[in-house]
Amino acid sequence: DSGVTQTPKHLITATGQRVTLRCSPRSGDLSVYWYQQSLDQGLQFLIQYYNGEERAKGNILERFSAQQFPDLHSELNLSSLELGDSALYFCASSVVPGATEQYFGPGTRLTVT
Amino acid sequence: GQQLNQSPQSMFIQEGEDVSMNCTSSSIFNTWLWYKQDPGEGPVLLIALYKAGELTSNGRLTAQFGITRKDSFLNISASIPSDVGIYFCAGQEGGQNFGNEKLTFGTGTRLTIIP
Repeated sequence: DSGVTQTPKHLITATGQRVTLRCSPRSGDLSVYWYQQSLDQGLQFLIQYYNGEERAKGNILERFSAQQFPDLHSELNLSSLELGDSALYFCASSVVPGATEQYFGPGTRLTVT
Repeated sequence: GQQLNQSPQSMFIQEGEDVSMNCTSSSIFNTWLWYKQDPGEGPVLLIALYKAGELTSNGRLTAQFGITRKDSFLNISASIPSDVGIYFCAGQEGGQNFGNEKLTFGTGTRLTIIP
C-alpha cells in the first residue's frame, strides 16, 4: 500500500458525459501528479500540482482539468468524454516537487461507452 | 507523448532464472526509476537511481544508471512466481528547471514465469 488513495476504483459512463476522479496523496506529500495509462500510449503524464498551484502540464486535453484543494487532495475532471478517453488514470504524490520518488495510487479505470 | 524504449517487450522464463531488461532514451535524464505493475494495480516503486554509473540493489533486484545518462538496466536474480508482472523504467529530467519532475515512462517489459 503506497498510502495514495483514489476513488472511485471503476467508472463506467457514456460519451459526452463529465466525471470527476479523486486522489488523496500520502500523508505529508505536497505534490500531486496525474497520469493516464492506455494500451496505445502507455503511461503519460497529464498534470502536476504543488501546494494548490499548477506546476507542470503534460499531454492533457483541454476537455480535462484538475485542481488541488487546501487539504492537498486533488480532483481530475474529464468532460465531453469520448470513447478514446477510456483508460486507467493514476495519481501519484511526492514529498515536494523536487523529490524524485513518486508513489502511485491504485488508479481509476474509466470506461466510456 | 514520449515513451522510452524498453526491451525486451516480453519475457518467458522458468522459475529460478535470472532476468535482464533495459531502457534507452534519446535524451538525458538526471534520475532513473524502476517500477513494477501488477494487473489492475498502480505502479510500485522498486529502485531509484540518482547518479550516472550508480549501481543499486533491492533484494534480488539490481539496477544501474547508464554512464551516458540515456539508459538504465534492471536485473532480477533467481526469479520467483511473485516477480510476474510488468516492469517499467521511468526517467526524470529534474535539475533546477521548474516543472521538470514529471516522469517519462518506458514501454514496459512483461515478465511471465513458465511452470
